[in-house]
Amino acid sequence: KAGVTQTPRYLIKTRGQQVTLSCSPISGHRSVSWYQQTPGQGLQFLFEYFSETQRNKGNFPGRFSGRQFSNSRSEMNVSTLELGDSALYLCASSQLTGTSTDTQYFGPGTRLTVL
Amino acid sequence: AQSVTQPDIHITVSEGASLELRCNYSYGATPYLFWYVQSPGQGLQLLLKYFSGDTLVQGIKGFEAEFKRSQSSFNLRKPSVHWSDAAEYFCAVGARNNDMRFGAGTRLTVKP
Repeated sequence: KAGVTQTPRYLIKTRGQQVTLSCSPISGHRSVSWYQQTPGQGLQFLFEYFSETQRNKGNFPGRFSGRQFSNSRSEMNVSTLELGDSALYLCASSQLTGTSTDTQYFGPGTRLTVL
Repeated sequence: AQSVTQPDIHITVSEGASLELRCNYSYGATPYLFWYVQSPGQGLQLLLKYFSGDTLVQGIKGFEAEFKRSQSSFNLRKPSVHWSDAAEYFCAVGARNNDMRFGAGTRLTVKP
């Protein structure tokens, strides 16, 4: 079974631009979560989608948004990029058969650099 | 609110030596606990997880972890470290609805 895939792997943008990152979960997984990883703040939860609905949201400004499609693929968008948005963005998928925590499997990440 | 503390930012061990990485959690109910490993520039790979049952959990690559409720700990161990184990290790606690919180990570260096 193929793992979680993320595209693109690397991205360079300038301040003020917007960016869209894509995540394809493991086949059969319906939950997709997004995390931001930086040296200063570590791994921080952005949001989680399940069946095309955002179920959880972390403490990030509204510039960060996401969506999930009917095939469970997910995209996240960051508008009006700031230098501090430079980070590794990780996507994770899980089967999530109920309301309890399920095991999350991570993709390789997208490295975003904002100049 | 749940939280995770990994007291050691960086640990150096010699190849062949034993390893223990510490993890303490704070959570009001029975936690779901995870250890992940991350190589430079890569995503996170699941090493092992604890949901319930036997408090000693076996994982991949020869790792194990023990859940101790009385100490709110979930320490990761390996009896003999290999050079390829050098990486960053993250402990995480999960609650309902996949709301996972990660520790700050412990970077492991392996000396030849």
